[in-house]
Amino acid sequence: DAGVIQSPRHEVTEMGQEVTLRCKPISGHDYLFWYRQTMMRGLELLIYFNNNVPIDDSGMPEDRFSAKMPNASFSTLKIQPSEPRDSAVYFCASSPGLGLSYNEQFFGPGTRLTVL
Amino acid sequence: SQKIEQNSEALNIQEGKTATLTCNYTNYSPAYLQWYRQDPGRGPVFLLLIRENEKEKRKERLKVTFDTTLKQSLFHITASQPADSATYLCALLPSYNTDKLIFGTGTRLQVFP
Repeated sequence: DAGVIQSPRHEVTEMGQEVTLRCKPISGHDYLFWYRQTMMRGLELLIYFNNNVPIDDSGMPEDRFSAKMPNASFSTLKIQPSEPRDSAVYFCASSPGLGLSYNEQFFGPGTRLTVL
Repeated sequence: SQKIEQNSEALNIQEGKTATLTCNYTNYSPAYLQWYRQDPGRGPVFLLLIRENEKEKRKERLKVTFDTTLKQSLFHITASQPADSATYLCALLPSYNTDKLIFGTGTRLQVFP
């Protein structure tokens, strides 16, 4: 298995532009997570899905952020319009289970986003 | 307020010594705590999990302890090697009523030959 795949690996854009990050989870994993990592705040959960359905989006910073999972093998995180404070590394992770029933999350390599 | 804290300063040790990393938390009653390793430019990789009713867990050269009274977990790497150099993150499941992990900001470990 190739693991969790994310694209692009790096994205540089200008303030106000739309940014779309993509993720392919590990086949057979029912849970998908989007995280954001910064030096100041560490790794923060933005949203997670179970069987393609968004379960908790309370970590999404504001309405400029949206995430979708149209099928079991693909998810997107969109920022529109982007702002410099959105600059961070965005990780996608997947897991076959969650919480008490399962422990390990498998992370992708991340997308480093820079908004100028 | 609820916090999970790891030493933000890098830990520098000599090869062969035991590295000990600390994870402290406040105002949580975690069901379990995990440790992940993160290399530069990569995503975190799961290492170990310890549950609230376990005091110690081992895996090869790794050992994790969990003290719910002190609200602290210690992560030990014995006989450390330069290849162990990385950032180590702790993460906890805050309670039995949630599915979301809360991560610390990580501690960078540098092992010198």
